[in-house]
Amino acid sequence: DAKTTQPPSMDCAEGRAANLPCNHSTISGNEYVYWYRQIHSQGPQYIIHGLKNNETNEMASLIITEDRKSSTLILPHATLRDTAVYYCIGSYNFNKFYFGSGTKLNVKP
Amino acid sequence: DAGVIQSPRHEVTEMGQEVTLRCKPISGHDYLFWYRQTMMRGLELLIYFNNNVPIDDSGMPEDRFSAKMPNASFSTLKIQPSEPRDSAVYFCASSFYGGSGELFFGEGSRLTVL
Repeated sequence: DAKTTQPPSMDCAEGRAANLPCNHSTISGNEYVYWYRQIHSQGPQYIIHGLKNNETNEMASLIITEDRKSSTLILPHATLRDTAVYYCIGSYNFNKFYFGSGTKLNVKP
Repeated sequence: DAGVIQSPRHEVTEMGQEVTLRCKPISGHDYLFWYRQTMMRGLELLIYFNNNVPIDDSGMPEDRFSAKMPNASFSTLKIQPSEPRDSAVYFCASSFYGGSGELFFGEGSRLTVL
């Protein structure tokens, strides 16, 4: 898996967009970028993944830079329920995910 | 579908006792994973199965840990004998070949070894 670097914590106001960065400068050409989140005490939850192109689903958008060395997960309108630890994972094989420390997102009213 | 089901949700036991954690994956999924989460080490992959066959158990910490998958709908993780350092939350997850890389996690089993 590619080594990823994320800030340990971030704050976001409720209703505003949350932009969570991830650095993966060593990612190889066939490794996807996956994002998961873990709400307190629950199992991790898949959010989105991408290879080169930007991706969007009902939960979030994923913006990957052209050189693929970094990406940003965007939650367009954060709610209190989005408070969680967000994990960025670089991997070609979902069988060997390394979750790392993630970013603790605190959404504040 | 009810999702990945784990039992027990909480287990408190004494050092030296045998612990068995159970997991029922989502029907139709052919991959099953066991993860362990602690404050110190985060989420660690212990072992995973494909079509009921153990593929990679390199994350299993030592011989006290064993995992089985006798059929497509059931897996166990056993610790014998248990030690206080085994205290953690153990997650089971399942997925399927050809999927998007989405792992479906259970609610976890919180183990406390006294």
